[in-house]
Amino acid sequence: KAGVTQTPRYLIKTRGQQVTLSCSPISGHRSVSWYQQTPGQGLQFLFEYFSETQRNKGNFPGRFSGRQFSNSRSEMNVSTLELGDSALYLCASSLSWTSGRNIYEQYFGPGTRLTVT
Amino acid sequence: SQQGEEDPQALSIQEGENATMNCSYKTSINNLQWYRQNSGRGLVHLILIRSNEREKHSGRLRVTLDTSKKSSSLLITASRAADTASYFCATALNQAGTALIFGKGTTLSVSS
Repeated sequence: KAGVTQTPRYLIKTRGQQVTLSCSPISGHRSVSWYQQTPGQGLQFLFEYFSETQRNKGNFPGRFSGRQFSNSRSEMNVSTLELGDSALYLCASSLSWTSGRNIYEQYFGPGTRLTVT
Repeated sequence: SQQGEEDPQALSIQEGENATMNCSYKTSINNLQWYRQNSGRGLVHLILIRSNEREKHSGRLRVTLDTSKKSSSLLITASRAADTASYFCATALNQAGTALIFGKGTTLSVSS
C-alpha cells in the first residue's frame, strides 16, 4: 500500500499570503489529522477530519482551516500568514475504527515545510 | 501545555548500549503511544500500550506504563546507529485516538 503523501514538500510564502497544503491518506483510511511542528512549541494538534466532517479541533486561530473530500483526501488552509506559521505541517491518517474496535495507530506523511518570510 | 513530557531531552550513547526514555502525562488515558521521527521527517508509530497493560515488548523495544504515576518508559536495547532519531510519547485527546498530544521528545544519538 502506498503511504501518506503530502504536497508540496516545501513552500515559501510571504506574510499576509494564504497557503493550501494537501494530504492523501493511505487507501481505506477515513481519518486524517493535521499537526504543526515547530522548534518552540513542538508537535501540536490542529484538527482531524473523518468522513468529510471535522471531528476534533486543536487550539489554533480561525486562520487555520481544513476540509476533507469524499475520497478522504484532505487539505488545510492558512490565511493571512504570519512569521510564526513557519513550521513543518504533518498529516496523519488512521483506519480509526474496524471490526468493532478502535484502531489507534496513525501513519504520518513526510510533511510540508512552510517558510513564511 | 503538552500532555506528555519526555525525559531526558537528549541522550547520547554508543552502539550496543541500551537507551531509556521516560514520559509523563497529566490526565487519564486509554492508551499511550510512542513514535519515532528521523531528522525533520514524518513520524513512525513504534508501539502502543493500553491503560490496562503494564509492559509490552516489540523486537528491541520495551515499554512500561505506570498509570498510578502517570508515566511511561521506552527502552531500546542493543542500540544501533540507525536508532538515532527523536522519540515522542503521545496520548489522545479523544476516544478514537485520532487527536494526539505529543511531548517535546527525546533526541537520541547513537554513535558507532
